[in-house]
Amino acid sequence: EADIYQTPRYLVIGTGKKITLECSQTMGHDKMYWYQQDPGMELHLIHYSYGVNSTEKGDLSSESTVSRIRTEHFPLTLESARPSHTSQYLCASSEYHLASEKLFFGSGTQLSVL
Amino acid sequence: DQQVKQNSPSLSVQEGRISILNCDYTNSMFDYFLWYKKYPAEGPTFLISISSIKDKNEDGRFTVFLNKSAKHLSLHIVPSQPGDSAVYFCAARKDTGNQFYFGTGTSLTVIP
Repeated sequence: EADIYQTPRYLVIGTGKKITLECSQTMGHDKMYWYQQDPGMELHLIHYSYGVNSTEKGDLSSESTVSRIRTEHFPLTLESARPSHTSQYLCASSEYHLASEKLFFGSGTQLSVL
Repeated sequence: DQQVKQNSPSLSVQEGRISILNCDYTNSMFDYFLWYKKYPAEGPTFLISISSIKDKNEDGRFTVFLNKSAKHLSLHIVPSQPGDSAVYFCAARKDTGNQFYFGTGTSLTVIP
């Protein structure tokens, strides 16, 4: 069983609000990821981190930002939410140096921006 | 341009029969592949993986086949059970440490 947690599970907010989606893992994994997924679509990588103080943008252009101050914690922040941000946000972690790397996902945050 | 494709958005199978989910990729540099299962409003859970040095990997009811020349992999579930009803994603990676590319998923319904 993967030990990666996301909060909140569901969030409904108004346009223009600042929000932070939380993600924590207790597996000591160096690499962490944020994906965005809409029904019928692939998972899009929006941010990733190789370790503390490392953050990179993924392929999908995103107006969000991330930070990695502690190994176990990788929060994602939207400074001003818009309806186009409505989506499911999935956090994951892995031991990226392994040839047999597996991504462990959290339960996701379903975000609705009104 | 999508590098990993799952061309069947949905599949229905009778309980007890075989489910075959397909995945095609375009990048010949991909050397490692994963299958994930996802329930609505949940995160994906890992099912099975295969390295490009193999052409088959089995784990219980799940078997993944890799055809490198055709750039095609498939997931076989035998026998299918109603609890297998979910969306299945395949994912591929080029080298150790690089990002994974996901397909759009296939929604499997197993009919009791």
